Amino acid sequence: GQSLEQPSEVTAVEGAIVQINCTYQTSGFYGLSWYQQHDGGAPTFLSYNALDGLEETGRFSSFLSRSDSYGYLLLQELQMKDSASYFCAQKRDTGRRALTFGSGTRLQVQP
Amino acid sequence: DTEVTQTPKHLVMGMTNKKSLKCEQHMGHRAMYWYKQKAKKPPELMFVYSYEKLSINESVPSRFSPECPNSSLLNLHLHALQPEDSALYLCASSQDRGAGAGTDTQYFGPGTRLTVL
Repeated sequence: GQSLEQPSEVTAVEGAIVQINCTYQTSGFYGLSWYQQHDGGAPTFLSYNALDGLEETGRFSSFLSRSDSYGYLLLQELQMKDSASYFCAQKRDTGRRALTFGSGTRLQVQP
Repeated sequence: DTEVTQTPKHLVMGMTNKKSLKCEQHMGHRAMYWYKQKAKKPPELMFVYSYEKLSINESVPSRFSPECPNSSLLNLHLHALQPEDSALYLCASSQDRGAGAGTDTQYFGPGTRLTVL
């Protein structure tokens, strides 16, 4: 099967940089996605990596190393509104259209 | 329009009730999903419809019955639920590019918060 491991909680201050790591299993790997979910809200797509390297989207960047089965989400210039849960997600095995989500990392941004 | 809508926002039902959750999207997406999410947990896949046909059922109990009347609508019929079924039920849609092609970004609705008494 597929499982993705993330730290359960991360705390940082406004203006700082934070990195949320994700390790995954390699069976049927089609890339790693990141989703943000505020309390009471819906998950929203942030970023996707299919190939090794860094993808940058504004303050958020995502990195993938397929040889290490590892990726991370980098959030820069943290703002209070970035306090949320962040999930890495892996597309499922061949022929199955759906995502398997990591356990989620709760980010708390403090003043 | 990149919105997925879900109704109702909140639902309280008894264990003998029958109710339905509704989901709608107008992005021309051909894959639609139901997820269940418990507090402080990730979304768990329940069902996937691809081109209006059920393609994945994650061994969900028969008291949950999905229906896809057309490419824009997805329903989840509920009957004889248990208190442990209380959760946030999320609907999502995607273009459905198939197993290998790209990320197939999923767009989620706001969810229905279900309480079973």
